[in-house]
Amino acid sequence: DVKVTQSSRYLVKRTGEKVFLECVQDMDHENMFWYRQDPGLGLRLIYFSYDVKMKEKGDIPEGYSVSREKKERFSLILESASTNQTSMYLCASSWDSRYQPQHFGDGTRLSIL
Amino acid sequence: GENVEQHPSTLSVQEGDSAVIKCTYSDSASNYFPWYKQELGKRPQLIIDIRSNVGEKKDQRIAVTLNKTAKHFSLHITETQPEDSAVYFCAANPLNDYKLSFGAGTTVTVRA
Repeated sequence: DVKVTQSSRYLVKRTGEKVFLECVQDMDHENMFWYRQDPGLGLRLIYFSYDVKMKEKGDIPEGYSVSREKKERFSLILESASTNQTSMYLCASSWDSRYQPQHFGDGTRLSIL
Repeated sequence: GENVEQHPSTLSVQEGDSAVIKCTYSDSASNYFPWYKQELGKRPQLIIDIRSNVGEKKDQRIAVTLNKTAKHFSLHITETQPEDSAVYFCAANPLNDYKLSFGAGTTVTVRA
């Protein structure tokens, strides 16, 4: 069974901090995704990665960056956290010919104070 | 880009009745339409998907229908059970495009 693990379920940070959200998958999937989920807005794609060191911007990349140094790990970075980045963040993965998320992590609920 | 609208936003049904959720999309190039279920406090799960070369797909009590001409697709849940209570998201995009566009979600409550 595919496992997508996000390092934290809940995280509280302060405005201006640099925040790292980590995601690891154990199925050797090529594709990994970061979404944010807000009430009434569904899921919105922040970044997508189709291979190590490869990334593509999603619909809302502003204020975020990503890192994929190893195939199994995809990190989301908030360069300087702001209160409007308070949200639920979901990581997902899929196998190589599927460009849509198949397996999600449990999510990280991030609060920026 | 693709714009997906989902209705209704909330749906309450009696156990054993059917539930129907409808989504419309704007981009005629979209050809992949997945549905995700998210139970309270849990991760979204892909429950069924359909590609534009078929009009209907079934999996036990769940079915999805697609009308390409009208650009809408629907999720049908028959003989609803309490464990069907969740938020359901529809989505759409062209198969080779990673930017999947999601609907806002429908909160389904099955009353015992």
